[in-house]
Amino acid sequence: EPEVTQTPSHQVTQMGQEVILRCVPISNHLYFYWYRQILGQKVEFLVSFYNNEISEKSEIFDDQFSVERPDGSNFTLKIRSTKLEDSAMYFCASMGTVYSNQPQHFGDGTRLSIL
Amino acid sequence: AQSVSQHNHHVILSEAASLELGCNYSYGGTVNLFWYVQYPGQHLQLLLKYFSGDPLVKGIKGFEAEFIKSKFSFNLRKPSVQWSDTAEYFCAVTGISNFGNEKLTFGTGTRLTIIP
Repeated sequence: EPEVTQTPSHQVTQMGQEVILRCVPISNHLYFYWYRQILGQKVEFLVSFYNNEISEKSEIFDDQFSVERPDGSNFTLKIRSTKLEDSAMYFCASMGTVYSNQPQHFGDGTRLSIL
Repeated sequence: AQSVSQHNHHVILSEAASLELGCNYSYGGTVNLFWYVQYPGQHLQLLLKYFSGDPLVKGIKGFEAEFIKSKFSFNLRKPSVQWSDTAEYFCAVTGISNFGNEKLTFGTGTRLTIIP
């Protein structure tokens, strides 16, 4: 079964540094998402992306965050200047066709640790 | 704004016991409902989903859930749990749109521990 893949699995970064989290969604999917899960808390929506633009973003997704689909296969989340509170598990998800009755498929996540 | 409540934070059961995990949602419209499971160290996997039709939906690994619209509930059940069901279980909801890009809103999760 096709999978969403995320790299790296674990990223350790100094506070203030930029970090890029990478995702390869399922190949024929059109809708892409980033979520995060701070340790011990629930999974929270960050941003959705369709047709090469952001569809919706949460309050968490401030000016420090950006997303990009640079080459038609990768979907990246960039945090420009990381803060301690950015430490979390970041999940990428993708969804298939234009019909809304589709589940989102999740990747294994990237654990981001900010020192 | 939509929200999801899971009232059981940690449930401990013996093998072969029956399971019911509660989920209530709040949303001002028609919804799609999901249960995801997260095994230790793994990604979120879809257990089952409700979009429309029969309110009793069956998923993988013997799980089922019942959508009760009047109670805004979507409780997860399994008649006889196994040790391998030890995991975190998340209820989630999306609104319905024609654009297919609705975000998932998750509950806080229920940690299920099965004692052999």
